[in-house]
Amino acid sequence: GAVVSQHPSRVICKSGTSVKIECRSLDFQATTMFWYRQFPKKSLMLMATSNEGSKATYEQGVEKDKFLINHASLTLSTLTVTSAHPEDSSFYICSARPTSGRINEQFFGPGTRLTVL
Amino acid sequence: AQSVSQHNHHVILSEAASLELGCNYSYGGTVNLFWYVQYPGQHLQLLLKYFSGDPLVKGIKGFEAEFIKSKFSFNLRKPSVQWSDTAEYFCAVNGAGGYNKLIFGAGTRLAVHP
Repeated sequence: GAVVSQHPSRVICKSGTSVKIECRSLDFQATTMFWYRQFPKKSLMLMATSNEGSKATYEQGVEKDKFLINHASLTLSTLTVTSAHPEDSSFYICSARPTSGRINEQFFGPGTRLTVL
Repeated sequence: AQSVSQHNHHVILSEAASLELGCNYSYGGTVNLFWYVQYPGQHLQLLLKYFSGDPLVKGIKGFEAEFIKSKFSFNLRKPSVQWSDTAEYFCAVNGAGGYNKLIFGAGTRLAVHP
C-alpha cells in the first residue's frame, strides 16, 4: 500500500518549452503533496507544498510563476516547469501524505529526471 | 533555524563491518524523525521512523536508530552490513503532528565492498 507514481520518469525538452510532471497517489488519498528537487549527489530540496483545492505554498527562492503546481484532486498533483532552461535540469520528486491512517508520513514517488537542452 | 546535519558524506565499508551514521537536528519543539534510503536508480524508501515511545527503533533490513533527545541525535546503526546496503541514506525531521514539512539532511553515500 501507499504507492506514489510519477509520470514521466524521464523527459528531455528544448529550452523555452514547458514540461508537465504528474504525481499520483495510487491507493490512498492525499490532501497534501510535496514537490522536491534533488541535485546530483545532494539532498532533497523542498520546492513547494501542494494542498488539494488551494494554492501551493512555495519555499523561499522558488519562483511560483516558473514552477506551476496544481492539486486538482485528492490523488493528483502536477508540476509544470514553464519556459524551461538548462539550469532547470534536475531530478524532481514528489511525495504524498495520506489523508487518513499514516498521516505523519510522506510516501515518495520514483522521481522524474528532466533534461533541458 | 530548522536543520539536519549528517556528519559523514561518504562512508566505505567492507561486508560484515558495523555501521553507524550520525544525524543531528535543530528543531524547536517535539519532533518526528526518519531515516530514508535511496538505492541506486530507485526512489526513496522509509527505513525507520520515530514518533514517540521507545527511543530505540528498529526498521527494515536489520537497521535500527536511537533517538537521544539530550543530544538532538538520531543515529542509524546496523551491526553487519551487506553489499546490498550500498545506497544513499537520508535523515529527516519534521514537527510532531505530521503537518509540517520534512527537513532533510545532506545524505550519506554508503559503499559496501564485498
